Amino acid sequence: SAVISQKPSRDICQRGTSLTIQCQVDSQVTMMFWYRQQPGQSLTLIATANQGSEATYESGFVIDKFPISRPNLTFSTLTVSNMSPEDSSIYLCSVRQGSHEQYFGPGTRLTVT
Amino acid sequence: KQEVTQIPAALSVPEGENLVLNCSFTDSAIYNLQWFRQDPGKGLTSLLLIQSSQREQTSGRLNASLDKSSGRSTLYIAASQPGDSATYLCAPYPIKAAGNKLTFGGGTRVLVKP
Repeated sequence: SAVISQKPSRDICQRGTSLTIQCQVDSQVTMMFWYRQQPGQSLTLIATANQGSEATYESGFVIDKFPISRPNLTFSTLTVSNMSPEDSSIYLCSVRQGSHEQYFGPGTRLTVT
Repeated sequence: KQEVTQIPAALSVPEGENLVLNCSFTDSAIYNLQWFRQDPGKGLTSLLLIQSSQREQTSGRLNASLDKSSGRSTLYIAASQPGDSATYLCAPYPIKAAGNKLTFGGGTRVLVKP
């Protein structure tokens, strides 16, 4: 299994600012993902973080709003830019090796005021 | 497009009762299906992974069944405890999904009363 850590675990941010969330995995993984979970909702995939190339975004999510970096096989960052209260959510990093089990980090709980 | 439905949306039982959580999915071409547990405000914990070739997978008090042809999976939790209170999510991993995406159900919120 993979152990995933995320920083920060929670934050309260002002409207219009940006927050960068870090995801660190204890082993090299081929696939890393970023999810959003809005209050009372299930998980929505934001993007797949690709090592050495641009992330692949899902419909409704754009790079200008959610820039993602993945400099190596164990680390990724997600930035939530120009935040509004609608961005208040839990943001989750996730990893998978091929068609095997998928693991999730503890999440970053973001509140935008 | 894969659609996943979980029934019931919420469940409240007295301690000691067995739990039955249902998951249905529309695309039966899957590699596997995972069941997750989520505590409020936290990340997801993987409970069981059941491969498409398997009918059942067991871990302690948990048992997951899979009927791929009918697009159904069931999670059974025996002799429930208050610590089992959480939201349970199922996620089939479809073969045809571009970008290797899991699709999540809406979850079943479980409350086990002492």
